[in-house]
Amino acid sequence: AQTVTQSQPEMSVQEAETVTLSCTYDTSESDYYLFWYKQPPSRQMILVIRQEAYKQQNATENRFSVNFQKAAKSFSLKISDSQLGDAAMYFCAYRSAGNNDMRFGAGTRLTVKP
Amino acid sequence: SAVISQKPSRDICQRGTSLTIQCQVDSQVTMMFWYRQQPGQSLTLIATANQGSEATYESGFVIDKFPISRPNLTFSTLTVSNMSPEDSSIYLCSVRWVLGEQFFGPGTRLTVL
Repeated sequence: AQTVTQSQPEMSVQEAETVTLSCTYDTSESDYYLFWYKQPPSRQMILVIRQEAYKQQNATENRFSVNFQKAAKSFSLKISDSQLGDAAMYFCAYRSAGNNDMRFGAGTRLTVKP
Repeated sequence: SAVISQKPSRDICQRGTSLTIQCQVDSQVTMMFWYRQQPGQSLTLIATANQGSEATYESGFVIDKFPISRPNLTFSTLTVSNMSPEDSSIYLCSVRWVLGEQFFGPGTRLTVL
């Protein structure tokens, strides 16, 4: 079964600085999707960024970018120029192309210090 | 992205009772799901809500406990039956577009006393 591991329960970053959240996953599949979701205290799950496994180019969305290392099964999220509004729980998620189930990591709580 | 609404946003219920959660999407979607997020935990898929047929449940979840309806492509309900304090969680509706992006509703926070 696929598993998603986020080894950092909590992270902290100074406002305007850069932070990287780690995620590794285990799969024998070759075709899959990876996601980062943000869940602020309002509990609304917000899609931050998505990566297709067949794409070699790392996805970017404004201040958010990923470092996708397929061979290492690593999918880290980099947040540049951190803002107070970035404070939230961040979940890494995996989904096989042929499967309904999206597997989530345990989450990383990000604190942004002013 | 989809606009997904859930009702109620939160509720406090007595053990042994049932609660039905509604999920409404502003456009037609093929794939709808229900997730549970226990306190301080990550998300776990309960079931896939299939339009016009019975839901597909994940291991550990059964229809008698979590009956699901999906009468059309924009609406679904999840019922939490015969509740116990262990059912206290956030329940989230989710939809997936054809291109694979998946979005979540605001969640329903359930507390069972």
